[in-house]
Amino acid sequence: GAGVSQSPSNKVTEKGKDVELRCDPISGHTALYWYRQSLGQGLEFLIYFQGNSAPDKSGLPSDRFSAERTGGSVSTLTIQRTQQEDSAVYLCASLKGRETYNEQFFGPGTRLTVL
Amino acid sequence: QQQVKQSPQSLIVQKGGISIINCAYENTAFDYFPWYQQFPGKGPALLIAIRPDVSEKKEGRFTISFNKSAKQFSLHIMDSQPGDSATYFCAASGGGGKLIFGQGTELSVKP
Repeated sequence: GAGVSQSPSNKVTEKGKDVELRCDPISGHTALYWYRQSLGQGLEFLIYFQGNSAPDKSGLPSDRFSAERTGGSVSTLTIQRTQQEDSAVYLCASLKGRETYNEQFFGPGTRLTVL
Repeated sequence: QQQVKQSPQSLIVQKGGISIINCAYENTAFDYFPWYQQFPGKGPALLIAIRPDVSEKKEGRFTISFNKSAKQFSLHIMDSQPGDSATYFCAASGGGGKLIFGQGTELSVKP
C-alpha cells in the first residue's frame, strides 16, 4: 500500500516568504508527527497530532511555525517569514493507533532551502 | 533530561565485521528505544526496537543491548555488509508519541 507522502520534495524560497509543506499520512493512521532534520543533525521533534486531541506543539521552535491537520488526515506545516536557519529537511511520520510503541512510518521529507 | 547522546558520529567497518553504535539517555521515564536506518534521500525506517523489560533483542544480524542501570543502549550489526551503509539513529520515547533522536551515526561498510 501507499506510504507517507510529502510535497513538495524540494522547496527553495527567499528569506521572509511564507511556505507550506504538506503531508499525506498512511490511510487509517491516527497519529501524525512533524520532525526537522538539519544538516548533520538528528531529527528534532516539532509537533504531534493524535486523532481529535489537541496537538502537542512543544517542539515548535518559534511562533513562525504552525501546523494543522484537516479531517484527521492531511497535515500542513506552515513557516511564516522564513529565515535562513529554517533550511532543513522536514519529515512527516504517521503511526497506527494510540500506542507509542507502534512503528512510526516516515515520508521522504521536504528539503527546504531559504536563500 | 530530554537528550539522547549517540556515538560515534561516523564509523567505517570492513565487510564481515561488527558495527557497534552506542546511545545514552538521561530521562528514566523513557520506556521505548527504537533504532532507525536512513538511506540518502529517504526518510528513516524502523530497524529494531526494545522495551526496558529485556536486556537484549535480536533480529537477524541486528541486536540491541540495553543496560537500564547505566541508561545506555547499543546497536550491534553482525557480519556487516556494504548494503548496511547508511545513517543510523537511536531514539527514545516516554509516552505521548514523540521520539527524541540521537545525532546519528554515518556507517560505511567497505567491501
